[in-house]
Amino acid sequence: AQSVAQPEDQVNVAEGNPLTVKCTYSVSGNPYLFWYVQYPNRGLQFLLKYITGDNLVKGSYGFEAEFNKSQTSFHLKKPSALVSDSALYFCAVRDPGGSYIPTFGRGTSLIVHP
Amino acid sequence: NAGVMQNPRHLVRRRGQEARLRCSPMKGHSHVYWYRQLPEEGLKFMVYLQKENIIDESGMPKERFSAEFPKEGPSILRIQQVVRGDSAAYFCASSPRKGGVLWRTEAFFGQGTRLTVV
Repeated sequence: AQSVAQPEDQVNVAEGNPLTVKCTYSVSGNPYLFWYVQYPNRGLQFLLKYITGDNLVKGSYGFEAEFNKSQTSFHLKKPSALVSDSALYFCAVRDPGGSYIPTFGRGTSLIVHP
Repeated sequence: NAGVMQNPRHLVRRRGQEARLRCSPMKGHSHVYWYRQLPEEGLKFMVYLQKENIIDESGMPKERFSAEFPKEGPSILRIQQVVRGDSAAYFCASSPRKGGVLWRTEAFFGQGTRLTVV
């Protein structure tokens, strides 16, 4: 069975500092990995994905994520946080050789302080 | 393109009533997914539908919940005899083909319906 873990319920960072939101996964095969962002009372917005190729994936709003197969991780990063980045972030995984239904993490609340 | 449209945005129901949540997929999309979001539990898959066909309902509670996606009109998630535990945000996503959503293409989510059972 596939699963994804976001070990931090909340991440606090000062504006202008780099941020990292952690995600680890478990699948039987090679994973497809995704990050989404949810602003209050809104739906999910796609940020970026890893399917194959370069381990470093760049996405929307200056975010990037690094796929690390040995550590089964796909951490979301941004070099310089903005207050407007404050939101709920979800990691998702699916096993292309297994269930086509993606599994989401519980979400990490990112709070960027001015 | 108006995107995935869900209505109502907010729905209040008394215990025992029925709740109907509607989802109109993006133009040209024929597949719909429903998810439920509970506090501190993330997003839980409920059901995956194609027009006039339920592809996967493994995430649906066995009782009181049903979903449909007719040939014409929106997809409907129906909850009968609602209980307080049904209070949650329900999200719909659409894709143009099987496996399209959250596969290689980006996902298209609606704004959600927030159901409150009083």
